[in-house]
Amino acid sequence: GQNIDQPTEMTATEGAIVQINCTYQTSGFNGLFWYQQHAGEAPTFLSYNVLDGLEEKGRFSSFLSRSKGYSYLLLKELQMKDSASYLCAVRDSNYQLIWGAGTKLIIKP
Amino acid sequence: IAGITQAPTSQILAAGRRMTLRCTQDMRHNAMYWYRQDLGLGLRLIHYSNTAGTTGKGEVPDGYSVSRANTDDFPLTLASAVPSQTSVYFCASSESSVNEQFFGPGTRLTVL
Repeated sequence: GQNIDQPTEMTATEGAIVQINCTYQTSGFNGLFWYQQHAGEAPTFLSYNVLDGLEEKGRFSSFLSRSKGYSYLLLKELQMKDSASYLCAVRDSNYQLIWGAGTKLIIKP
Repeated sequence: IAGITQAPTSQILAAGRRMTLRCTQDMRHNAMYWYRQDLGLGLRLIHYSNTAGTTGKGEVPDGYSVSRANTDDFPLTLASAVPSQTSVYFCASSESSVNEQFFGPGTRLTVL
């Protein structure tokens, strides 16, 4: 079966750095996405990785290791507005997205 | 309008009733999707359409149907609603099946 694993919840302090991990087992791999979802709102696209390595976009970076079936999202200089759920999704061999349950990130002052 | 819209925002429905959730996008995206999101679970794909005139089944299609008569609209119909269909429904679109998806604001549906 297909499976995406993420921690259910994480807590971090404003101004700090946090790493959210995602491991996956899917039928095929055609890229990995990270989305942010604030409570009661729609998911919004953050990043995309298809090759191994680090993709940096401002305060957010995403890393991929295809051989390990592993990705992480790194958030730097945390702000209160970063309190949200972070969703990991893998595009499988049918080009459909398989979604993790999301990691709820709580930022404390 | 700009982006992707869904209607209604929320709905309470009696079991056995028929309901259509509407989704419209003005980005001229070829691909559109319907997901349901339940607490503790990831988004699950119900149906998708890679281009106008074609549709496909996702992970959880039973009890739902879709149509794609044109590029902009992708309605989702529950023929006879059941309580297990209580969920938040998100419509999404992408330029093609290989691009990132953009999501509508969602419809919160309660079936009693």
